[in-house]
Amino acid sequence: DQQVKQNSPSLSVQEGRISILNCDYTNSMFDYFLWYKKYPAEGPTFLISISSIKDKNEDGRFTVFLNKSAKHLSLHIVPSQPGDSAVYFCAASARAGGTSYGKLTFGQGTILTVHP
Amino acid sequence: EPEVTQTPSHQVTQMGQEVILRCVPISNHLYFYWYRQILGQKVEFLVSFYNNEISEKSEIFDDQFSVERPDGSNFTLKIRSTKLEDSAMYFCASRQGGETQYFGPGTRLLVL
Repeated sequence: DQQVKQNSPSLSVQEGRISILNCDYTNSMFDYFLWYKKYPAEGPTFLISISSIKDKNEDGRFTVFLNKSAKHLSLHIVPSQPGDSAVYFCAASARAGGTSYGKLTFGQGTILTVHP
Repeated sequence: EPEVTQTPSHQVTQMGQEVILRCVPISNHLYFYWYRQILGQKVEFLVSFYNNEISEKSEIFDDQFSVERPDGSNFTLKIRSTKLEDSAMYFCASRQGGETQYFGPGTRLLVL
């Protein structure tokens, strides 16, 4: 099941610079996308999301961009901080039963390391 | 800030034994989920639960698995006869009615 793919297993950036994490999807039924951050031995923590009716959503240092025609989304973190070092998961959802959002389909994750 | 809690944090069991993983979703949430992550693999969906019944389940969620909401606060996942390949982190998640699911810290299950 490769409906959601994060092709970069890892990313290393310098503190203060921009981190760009990418995600591609194949299922055109997906209409809601989320980014989660995960530390070892903890559960995924919600970061930011975007609906398919938008192409950008911003929350503080985090911005998510959605390109529906390319079936691609990206998470930008500016400026990056050492505390951002974690695994970042992209997840997608499609309306289930025509009434509500159902299960999340996750990518493999990208390990972000921000160096001081 | 309200959060999803899970117990136990770690569970070691022998193959063939039954385990029950417990979750307390955020109190005003209506939709409940179980996911698992086998070491080195993706987080994968197991089951969703709404209005006291399963709304969707994956092919992983076979007859060995069951879910229950025994009271107004707990949400449990039972594995009837554990197999070695059930070893994984199990995450509970809940959502109110919007689109965002909030995850618990997980239970690490090790089947020997």
